Amino acid sequence: SQQGEEDPQALSIQEGENATMNCSYKTSINNLQWYRQNSGRGLVHLILIRSNEREKHSGRLRVTLDTSKKSSSLLITASRAADTASYFCATDGQGAQKLVFGQGTRLTINP
Amino acid sequence: DTAVSQTPKYLVTQMGNDKSIKCEQNLGHDTMYWYKQDSKKFLKIMFSYNNKELIINETVPNRFSPKSPDKAHLNLHINSLELGDSAVYFCASSQDPGQFYEQYFGPGTRLTVT
Repeated sequence: SQQGEEDPQALSIQEGENATMNCSYKTSINNLQWYRQNSGRGLVHLILIRSNEREKHSGRLRVTLDTSKKSSSLLITASRAADTASYFCATDGQGAQKLVFGQGTRLTINP
Repeated sequence: DTAVSQTPKYLVTQMGNDKSIKCEQNLGHDTMYWYKQDSKKFLKIMFSYNNKELIINETVPNRFSPKSPDKAHLNLHINSLELGDSAVYFCASSQDPGQFYEQYFGPGTRLTVT
């Protein structure tokens, strides 16, 4: 069954603006991961946040996790054209040896 | 240097045929996966192997058979291909099957069944 669901499904912004994507999930997790997929390519890992962490940064990326609301957000600051891609959240579910992906948010950065 | 590679990148075939997709990783990882991504970008795990042993086998038709000759390789054989098998298939690997490790994905194989 699908665990994570991203919102919005599509997002279009101007270069330089910030982009925020959200992920909601259903069951308890040990960690949550965010991946990026450029058109026609494989997924690339961006960041992993553990269930006991609330916020994590990596360059222009900021991820938050609210386990009480079963939700996470990915913020990309000062967006660039190269950030155009689909972004997926993935959760493990306690005890699971697999990741369950959402359907992704398709982000378009307009020059 | 390619970390996770797949061949072929594109595969066009007719219904009823049998085809294979090969995957290799040079990261020294113990765990490898096969995923299927449909036209709506929904990515779903199919199989997972850890040190050549099958550990995850989702609800996948018997026509799909993975094989891991060694921990660096995980191939996917599909018998009697159907139209609904058309999708992009991704191979991935991780250090181990534990949930605290990131996964590294191959470039994908776009399978089109006509």
